[in-house]
Amino acid sequence: LAKTTQPISMDSYEGQEVNITCSHNNIATNDYITWYQQFPSQGPRFIIQGYKTKVTNEVASLFIPADRKSSTLSLPRVSLSDTAVYYCLVRYNTDKLIFGTGTRLQVFP
Amino acid sequence: GAVVSQHPSRVICKSGTSVKIECRSLDFQATTMFWYRQFPKQSLMLMATSNEGSKATYEQGVEKDKFLINHASLTLSTLTVTSAHPEDSSFYICSASRQGTAEAFFGQGTRLTVV
Repeated sequence: LAKTTQPISMDSYEGQEVNITCSHNNIATNDYITWYQQFPSQGPRFIIQGYKTKVTNEVASLFIPADRKSSTLSLPRVSLSDTAVYYCLVRYNTDKLIFGTGTRLQVFP
Repeated sequence: GAVVSQHPSRVICKSGTSVKIECRSLDFQATTMFWYRQFPKQSLMLMATSNEGSKATYEQGVEKDKFLINHASLTLSTLTVTSAHPEDSSFYICSASRQGTAEAFFGQGTRLTVV
């Protein structure tokens, strides 16, 4: 059974860098790893997507090692509004898009 | 970016009735749509994968006769919760993949409350 695991929760303070890792064994070799942010009672919101090595956009960076068995979302300087649940989303060779277990990030002032 | 619209955003229904949730890709053709269910403080769990013009593939433990999925066109998939019970109360979210790509776009979600 495909399992995509993340830490349950993380705490941080405003201005700090936060790194959230997702473990995903045996994902499809030719597909992207995507990270989403979710606020209560809303659909997931796209943050960043990558295939390998490092990807950076205006809000985050994504680090993917060569074996692609994990990925790390990096939020450079979090603010209170970054308090949310963060999910990785990967595709397994069964062609299913599976969410990680989710990480609840709490940012304190 | 591509837009996926889900309707309704919120619905309250009586136990025993059926509820239909629509998922539309507004500006692209979606060959594959996914339906997820999310209980409070839990991750989004994949319920089924639907491909346009064919029967949906349901995940283990998801009753296909209770959660009817129809993907009749490249822009519309529907999920019907039949004979709803209070334990079906949940947040249902759809996603759609653009034809020829693997990128997934998500709807806003539907909060179903069965009373």
